[in-house]
Amino acid sequence: NAGVTQTPKFRVLKTGQSMTLLCAQDMNHEYMYWYRQDPGMGLRLIHYSVGEGTTAKGEVPDGYNVSRLKKQNFLLGLESAAPSQTSVYFCASSSGLEAFFGQGTRLTVV
Amino acid sequence: SQKIEQNSEALNIQEGKTATLTCNYTNYSPAYLQWYRQDPGRGPVFLLLIRENEKEKRKERLKVTFDTTLKQSLFHITASQPADSATYLCALRRTGTASKLTFGTGTRLQVTL
Repeated sequence: NAGVTQTPKFRVLKTGQSMTLLCAQDMNHEYMYWYRQDPGMGLRLIHYSVGEGTTAKGEVPDGYNVSRLKKQNFLLGLESAAPSQTSVYFCASSSGLEAFFGQGTRLTVV
Repeated sequence: SQKIEQNSEALNIQEGKTATLTCNYTNYSPAYLQWYRQDPGRGPVFLLLIRENEKEKRKERLKVTFDTTLKQSLFHITASQPADSATYLCALRRTGTASKLTFGTGTRLQVTL
């Protein structure tokens, strides 16, 4: 019973490099979310999706892109990483009520 | 602007006492409010949900109240235990928003013997 799985768990990037974070859920949820969590800032919503093929901006979308080509997957891309994007990234999925979270990806941009 | 505020200072209480955490919001019309627990290095875990037309919800030692006039939710843990030590987050989903879920900054609870 996997729930929400994030890949990778840790990553170090150099400034200007690109990468994609993968989120996969096996609960057939319509809604998926990407958050970042920084000390003292709580969880801030980057982008979210209300169904396959849809995406929408959250509170802090700049510097990130997302895609939801399949219902079970939600990808978060960083085209040109910046040190300000050093953070812990959480993916979540929901049927509309409670949200289920992945274990997080710790990203460091040097 | 819309805000969800939780006490950023840690709450320290003695084992056996009741812990009360506060979540205040402004410029929201929430459809419902949720509480999550987060342990260090882990993702948040859902605890309780309360809808806008509900005043109180209980689950075992947990109780949540929701006052839409005061724009406030209180989260209570009775007979607290050291294992309850964690960060507790409140989250709101607004009426009419396509399921955007917004979180407060969280309050860290430390229960000591």
